[in-house]
Amino acid sequence: GAVVSQHPSWVICKSGTSVKIECRSLDFQATTMFWYRQFPKQSLMLMATSNEGSKATYEQGVEKDKFLINHASLTLSTLTVTSAHPEDSSFYICSASSPRTGSTEAFFGQGTRLTVV
Amino acid sequence: AQSVAQPEDQVNVAEGNPLTVKCTYSVSGNPYLFWYVQYPNRGLQFLLKYITGDNLVKGSYGFEAEFNKSQTSFHLKKPSALVSDSALYFCAVRRGSGGGNKLTFGTGTQLKVEL
Repeated sequence: GAVVSQHPSWVICKSGTSVKIECRSLDFQATTMFWYRQFPKQSLMLMATSNEGSKATYEQGVEKDKFLINHASLTLSTLTVTSAHPEDSSFYICSASSPRTGSTEAFFGQGTRLTVV
Repeated sequence: AQSVAQPEDQVNVAEGNPLTVKCTYSVSGNPYLFWYVQYPNRGLQFLLKYITGDNLVKGSYGFEAEFNKSQTSFHLKKPSALVSDSALYFCAVRRGSGGGNKLTFGTGTQLKVEL
């Protein structure tokens, strides 16, 4: 299956700083990437849909200026948590799909554990 | 709108016994259905999917799932559980062909397999 790599796996940052998380599709071109947030023992909450070469589409209630998404190439999307606060601490997961591969399932990164102190 | 229900937060099973993790869905049009497994602090791993064709689909690690259109269900099954199957399982749905790639996940079911 296709491989999606997410980096870093974990990060600790100070309150008020910004953190960038990368999501790469390693062996296919991803026209669409998705960013999720997962709270402990809960399901995945879709934050935004990232389309290559265009602005991301954010889900209701997700702050665009807080969670900046860039999908500048067919293999890379980034999520930047700006001015992070302790309540932003969470597990962030990206997924990628591409109709061009013929696959109907999404492929997920390993996730990033963000802790804001 | 599309939705997924996983009615059990946790399922406990003895190793060697069959297991079932339940999932029902709601979506307009033909559904694409998926099961994913998540181990602690890891992303989701794809197990199996139903797109069209046979209602019984077989996936990774001996898992299978049966699509039941009349009951709008897609329960995950395995004939003989292993301790290593203990993990968090998510059912997901999206609209079929032409429906876009946005997945809706259930709340997850924690599977615990004990000796």
